[in-house]
Amino acid sequence: QLQLQESGPGPVKPSETLSLTCTVSGGSISRSSYYWGWIRQPPGKGLEWIGSIYYSGSTYYNPSLKSRVTISVDTSKNQFSLKLSSVTAADTAVYYCARESSSSSFDYWGQGTLVTVSS
Amino acid sequence: QSALTQPASVSGSPGQSITISCTGTSSDVGGYNYVSWYQQHPGKAPKLMIYDVSNRPSGVSNRFSGSKSGNTASLTISGLQAEDEADYYCSSYTSSSTLVFGTGTKVTVL
Repeated sequence: QLQLQESGPGPVKPSETLSLTCTVSGGSISRSSYYWGWIRQPPGKGLEWIGSIYYSGSTYYNPSLKSRVTISVDTSKNQFSLKLSSVTAADTAVYYCARESSSSSFDYWGQGTLVTVSS
Repeated sequence: QSALTQPASVSGSPGQSITISCTGTSSDVGGYNYVSWYQQHPGKAPKLMIYDVSNRPSGVSNRFSGSKSGNTASLTISGLQAEDEADYYCSSYTSSSTLVFGTGTKVTVL
């Protein structure tokens, strides 16, 4: 059974860079036909797609976040990562990693991790 | 990109059927058959319920069905049960090669 787990260093201060890693177990991140994505959800609000990456390193991002987002992949560790720069309180959210199928649906999700931006 | 439009809330009695709409444009919902639906219970990760407009993943109840007409996709839950009370989100691929989620709908079982 495929499992995804987000991890990160905890609270982030305004203007700093948020960094999260998603570790995939029970399957290879290098399997073709799948992208790997990040989605976030501010407290009490809806879902927002951040961006996705293929195991080859090909990425696509939400235009509203593109200038601040970098998603990378480490196939040797079966992990992919998110970096969001110049964060503000508006970036406080539960961040999820998920597997994206060829039809752009997310079929496996991590449990999510709350990242708080606060001084 | 703008979020797809969903009603804020929909309610129904046990056993009834309800339908949640998801309205976009010809650049997203209307242009592709890549519409998905997710169920999210409080404090939990979203769960994929429908993909490619009308396909159910293995293990999802056949009480859930999806359809699309023009720029509007719909999720129908038949035989409503207490466990169906949750938030529901649609999503679509877009002509900009991005993804967009809907605004979300809270389903209440009366």
